[in-house]
Amino acid sequence: EAQVTQNPRYLITVTGKKLTVTCSQNMNHEYMSWYRQDPGLGLRQIYYSMNVEVTDKGDVPEGYKVSRKEKRNFPLILESPSPNQTSLYFCASSRDRNSYEQYFGPGTRLTVT
Amino acid sequence: GEDVEQSLFLSVREGDSSVINCTYTDSSSTYLYWYKQEPGAGLQLLTYIFSNMDMKQDQRLTVLLNKKDKHLSLRIADTQTGDSAIYFCAERNSGGYQKVTFGTGTKLQVIP
Repeated sequence: EAQVTQNPRYLITVTGKKLTVTCSQNMNHEYMSWYRQDPGLGLRQIYYSMNVEVTDKGDVPEGYKVSRKEKRNFPLILESPSPNQTSLYFCASSRDRNSYEQYFGPGTRLTVT
Repeated sequence: GEDVEQSLFLSVREGDSSVINCTYTDSSSTYLYWYKQEPGAGLQLLTYIFSNMDMKQDQRLTVLLNKKDKHLSLRIADTQTGDSAIYFCAERNSGGYQKVTFGTGTKLQVIP
């Protein structure tokens, strides 16, 4: 089944404790992206990747890092999480940057205390 | 920069039509989308329209685009309780990166 998976689905952590949210797609997609969803703000893009080893900042990259060492994986790293990073995070992928449709993962709800 | 706006909440009775509205600012949009997010799930593409079209119909869904006013709407005919969800409008620009900008989402509540 074609899908985007994220792990963990739920995470509660404390300020300053490094964490990684994994994202994997099995569709051989070139383009992958991370979004955060906050009430009243919709989805805002954090980082995106056009292909392996090619990543760039989205609208709200501060406090986040990403890497794209393999085509299928695009982990989101929070080196020193803070409470303002409490949010719902979505990973998405598409065939390439010209493809009209993005496929979304199920989301990761992160709480930073 | 690009901006996409929607009302936050809409309540309709089962069997009625729902109309969810969206306005955007980017005049270079190429695609405009409607995504559906059910509780606890990711976003799922519901329908999309090219910027050179005025209307698209797909079963119970009708998308209307007024490019002059930068206004997009989604009409759901015969709304069912299973249509209760958050609906996101999104637009993609024509720049080299072809960025997608999402609206705030409209929560549709269907009353039985």
